[in-house]
Amino acid sequence: AQSVTQLDSQVPVFEEAPVELRCNYSSSVSVYLFWYVQYPNQGLQLLLKYLSGSTLVKGINGFEAEFNKSQTSFHLRKPSVHISDTAEYFCAVSDPGSGGYNKLIFGAGTRLAVHP
Amino acid sequence: DAGITQSPRYKITETGRQVTLMCHQTWSHSYMFWYRQDLGHGLRLIYYSAAADITDKGEVPDGYVVSRSKTENFPLTLESATRSQTSVYFCASSESFAAWDTQYFGPGTRLTVL
Repeated sequence: AQSVTQLDSQVPVFEEAPVELRCNYSSSVSVYLFWYVQYPNQGLQLLLKYLSGSTLVKGINGFEAEFNKSQTSFHLRKPSVHISDTAEYFCAVSDPGSGGYNKLIFGAGTRLAVHP
Repeated sequence: DAGITQSPRYKITETGRQVTLMCHQTWSHSYMFWYRQDLGHGLRLIYYSAAADITDKGEVPDGYVVSRSKTENFPLTLESATRSQTSVYFCASSESFAAWDTQYFGPGTRLTVL
């Protein structure tokens, strides 16, 4: 069964600094990968997703992620963070081989805290 | 405003009581999902539904019941609440059942079982 590991439960960073949130998944078979963001007291919102093609995926709010098949990783990056990026970030995987249905497996989440 | 809504947003109940969490979406998406979010576990799928009157179990279905009489509504019922069901519950919907499709989430219901 697929699993997702987010290597850092919390990431503190100063405003305007770069940040990387790490995500590894368990299987080397073809999967679809997602990053969702959850702002305080809100539901999850899609940041970006990787389906195929270019390994560098650009999302909303200046975030991007790089898919690395050999390392089974999908790390999220932003070159310069803002206070408003403070949120919980979830990596998720969907396995098209699992009967083809839209079943997301989520990581435990990484809490990004941006300090002034 | 169109989208996916959940009610109530906050609920406190007692052990043994029946609780129903509501989910409503205005996109006419066929597929709907219920997740629970617990610290250290991320989100885990409780139940999903492919259409009206078609539902199936997810990863953690025990203690929960769902129904889907109308496409736009997908209520989740805890028939006899337990403390272990204290959690934040999220409803989601997607247009298709394809593994690449985006799921859209509601704002969540924070449930506390005393």
